[in-house]
Amino acid sequence: GAGVSQSPSNKVTEKGKDVELRCDPISGHTALYWYRQSLGQGLEFLIYFQGNSAPDKSGLPSDRFSAERTGGSVSTLTIQRTQQEDSAVYLCASSFAGYGYTFGSGTRLTVV
Amino acid sequence: TQLLEQSPQFLSIQEGENLTVYCNSSSVFSSLQWYRQEPGEGPVLLVTVVTGGEVKKLKRLTFQFGDARKDSSLHITAAQPGDTGLYLCAGVGRGSTLGRLYFGRGTQLTVWP
Repeated sequence: GAGVSQSPSNKVTEKGKDVELRCDPISGHTALYWYRQSLGQGLEFLIYFQGNSAPDKSGLPSDRFSAERTGGSVSTLTIQRTQQEDSAVYLCASSFAGYGYTFGSGTRLTVV
Repeated sequence: TQLLEQSPQFLSIQEGENLTVYCNSSSVFSSLQWYRQEPGEGPVLLVTVVTGGEVKKLKRLTFQFGDARKDSSLHITAAQPGDTGLYLCAGVGRGSTLGRLYFGRGTQLTVWP
């Protein structure tokens, strides 16, 4: 596609439920990144994919968070047993060989 | 711990004024990027600076990368209301963290007509 597409754009979930966030990167972009943006905290790195492998998962805040990427394209970020502190905007970005970073519009997650 | 410190955090100015935003770090990065983000959207890449001492101009915006590749500044000349937004600097990691972005907390700029 022309840009990075994220879905859903907004998600309200009850505490304790699982959620899945999807990212469809720019076609041909080999690298894919997930970031989290909370009010006053800036963008926090979560995980990085090169192709289908994740050489850097160091930003995942707990074992409730996991992500996968299939076919070198679409990625899914899963949060299990959501907590209120998980409320944030989750942003996905893709790039080719570390250049041309393009972000999606994000998924705003609200845990009530 | 925030690797990149941005200042000021908030900036409110009148149309036509000049401004500078600073981005400082104790770490060396392979390159540094500046982004602009509007409400409800993801950050949009404005520029990447790679070489120490580099200066890049994008219309009324001037970006500088420090000689030691640890700090950067963004200068806007004759600001316009359309420049309003959140400006973010991001250092690009080296070695094992190559490609990973380390963001500052951002500078929220408001330009009044």
